[in-house]
Amino acid sequence: GQNIDQPTEMTATEGAIVQINCTYQTSGFNGLFWYQQHAGEAPTFLSYNVLDGLEEKGRFSSFLSRSKGYSYLLLKELQMKDSASYLCAVRDSNYQLIWGAGTKLIIKP
Amino acid sequence: DTAVSQTPKYLVTQMGNDKSIKCEQNLGHDTMYWYKQDSKKFLKIMFSYNNKELIINETVPNRFSPKSPDKAHLNLHINSLELGDSAVYFCASSPGGGEVETQYFGPGTRLLVL
Repeated sequence: GQNIDQPTEMTATEGAIVQINCTYQTSGFNGLFWYQQHAGEAPTFLSYNVLDGLEEKGRFSSFLSRSKGYSYLLLKELQMKDSASYLCAVRDSNYQLIWGAGTKLIIKP
Repeated sequence: DTAVSQTPKYLVTQMGNDKSIKCEQNLGHDTMYWYKQDSKKFLKIMFSYNNKELIINETVPNRFSPKSPDKAHLNLHINSLELGDSAVYFCASSPGGGEVETQYFGPGTRLLVL
C-alpha cells in the first residue's frame, strides 16, 4: 500500500530552527509537496520538490532524497505565526496526491 | 475576489437528511477536487474532476454524489447522512496538466451530523 509518515507533533522555540521529516512509500513518484494548515483553516501550498536536493524559499526550505523516500521541511527563525500543521503529500505514478496526516508544530515563546 | 469558495461554511443536520455543499473557483482551473478531513486531520481525496469529467472516484459510499455543471463548479450532494460523515469537507482546484499542479483549497465546510 501507499504510505506517508510524519511525526504527529513537534515543539520548538520562537527564533529557533525546526526540521519536520517525511518518509514515503508510494507506487511511483511524481513530486512531493509541503502544505501549511493553520487550525480551522484550509491547507496552503508551501513548496514542491521533484529532483533531489534543497529548495529554499525565504525562511522555509524543503529537501528531497528520492532514493531514500525522504523529505524534510526546514523552518528557520521561527515565529509564533508558524504554529500550524505541516502536511507532506506525494504525487504517485497516477498523478494522485497521497497525503500524510500532518505534523502539528507548536511554537513556544 | 475569493479564489475557491464553498458554501455553507458550517452545516449541522440530523441523521438521515440529504444535504449539498457548493464549490466555485474563479481561477480558470481545469481540475477540481473534494477532500474529507476527519477528526484525526487526515486529508482523504474523495473525487476529482477535470473539465467536468470524473477522473478520480475513491472508495466513497454512493450516498456521496459529485456534480460538475461547468469546470468552475463542483458540488457535493450527500444522501441519508450518517454520524460518521461528520468532518470538514474541502474543495480544491488546480490548473490541470501542469508539472507542479499546486492545489488551492477552499475554506472548508464543517459538517456535523447529529
